[in-house]
Amino acid sequence: DADVTQTPRNRITKTGKRIMLECSQTKGHDRMYWYRQDPGLGLQLIYYSFDVKDINKGEISDGYSVSRQAQAKFSLSLESAIPNQTALYFCATSDSDVGTDTQYFGPGTRLTVL
Amino acid sequence: AQKVTQAQTEISVVEKEDVTLDCVYETRDTTYYLFWYKQPPSGELVFLIRRNSFDEQNEISGRYSWNFQKSTSSFNFTITASQVVDSAVYFCALSERDSNYQLIWGAGTKLIIKP
Repeated sequence: DADVTQTPRNRITKTGKRIMLECSQTKGHDRMYWYRQDPGLGLQLIYYSFDVKDINKGEISDGYSVSRQAQAKFSLSLESAIPNQTALYFCATSDSDVGTDTQYFGPGTRLTVL
Repeated sequence: AQKVTQAQTEISVVEKEDVTLDCVYETRDTTYYLFWYKQPPSGELVFLIRRNSFDEQNEISGRYSWNFQKSTSSFNFTITASQVVDSAVYFCALSERDSNYQLIWGAGTKLIIKP
């Protein structure tokens, strides 16, 4: 079984709809991240969480919110989806041992906003 | 200013050729880490290697090798005897103590291996 899972894997929605992407991990890592990747580009950090009570904005947090329900679960919400949020979304985890911040990624969620 | 530069947007070679992907980074920190990730056409991101700033030894893993040179702020990735399965986008990334070890990503190099 995969260590980092994301649901759904694909989603098509309409402008204005609320969308939630979910991420679960069995790696026992404290840190979790949400990224988006636009076609042909690198990754941009949306939000990250160092533990259940610690949520931080990344470089492109506008239009997104997150919830860290448990150590193993980190959800990303688009409150009112817009077409330029069409992208590939990745969840990642890493160990809290500072300096060994290797991030392990889920398979990605491909989101299309019409 | 871009902290991680992958100047090669796309590289195309014929199978069995050797190919080097360049990565140049910028940091003032003395403690930092460098990474390479692979993103095959299926889309997932696969961790390949992590290197810390205190270890300049080159790394070899099968057909993959990495050359870390602090003098030129480079962390280049070479694939020897390339295969079609190596076709992917490869990302270089930097994490530094001053940025709380958040990953700073390069734009990626698309590698096409032709049969």
